[in-house]
Amino acid sequence: EIVLTQSPGTLSLSPGERATLSCRASQSVISNYLAWYQQKPGQAPRLLIYGASSTATGIPDRFSGSGSGTDFTLTISGLEPEDFAVYYCQQYGSLPPYTFGQGTKLEIK
Amino acid sequence: EVQLVESGGGLIQPGGSLRLSCAASGFTFSNYWMHWVRQAPGKGLVWVSRINTDGSTTTYADSVKGRFTISRDNAKNTLYLQMNSLRAEDTAVYYCARVLITPAGTSVGAYHYWGQGTLVTVSS
Repeated sequence: EIVLTQSPGTLSLSPGERATLSCRASQSVISNYLAWYQQKPGQAPRLLIYGASSTATGIPDRFSGSGSGTDFTLTISGLEPEDFAVYYCQQYGSLPPYTFGQGTKLEIK
Repeated sequence: EVQLVESGGGLIQPGGSLRLSCAASGFTFSNYWMHWVRQAPGKGLVWVSRINTDGSTTTYADSVKGRFTISRDNAKNTLYLQMNSLRAEDTAVYYCARVLITPAGTSVGAYHYWGQGTLVTVSS
């Protein structure tokens, strides 16, 4: 089972700043099948990025993903008030279980 | 508009059973693999199970194997999760999720659409 470790656990930033979230895998993610989700309180997660760097439909272009192998990054350039939430990475490259990271909470500074 | 609507959650005693349903609309249900993902209160996301398009292939997390059964009825556009021998640690919001079809036409295990979730509480 691939273990995903996200850092930092909590990130405190101000609107307009740039956020960089990290996701590290315990072994290489096959075909860079790595997704990022945003979850707000009381809501279901929303898909932001798939295939490590492809943006899902309807997602603002301030969200971008990068990385390969075992190290992946979600970048949010120019934080908007609605971006403060919890972010999860997920790998779906190997056979199940399709594991998730423990989450990074992005909070307003 | 794609919609996934879960139902069937509630309070159940340890050892009991529940069946969750996920009603799908706005897309051709029979063309998509479907998954269940759960989230314990205040915790992260955990994959539970998946089923292929015609229901002939199912996979489970070790933590639920032998206790949970995923199934689907393509005629009714509905996904199910039969949960038996429930434990306190099964307490969670259960989400059904539809996989993503990429622009290249590939079905991948990223979840493009999620239901709103249904809460299962296992407690005496």
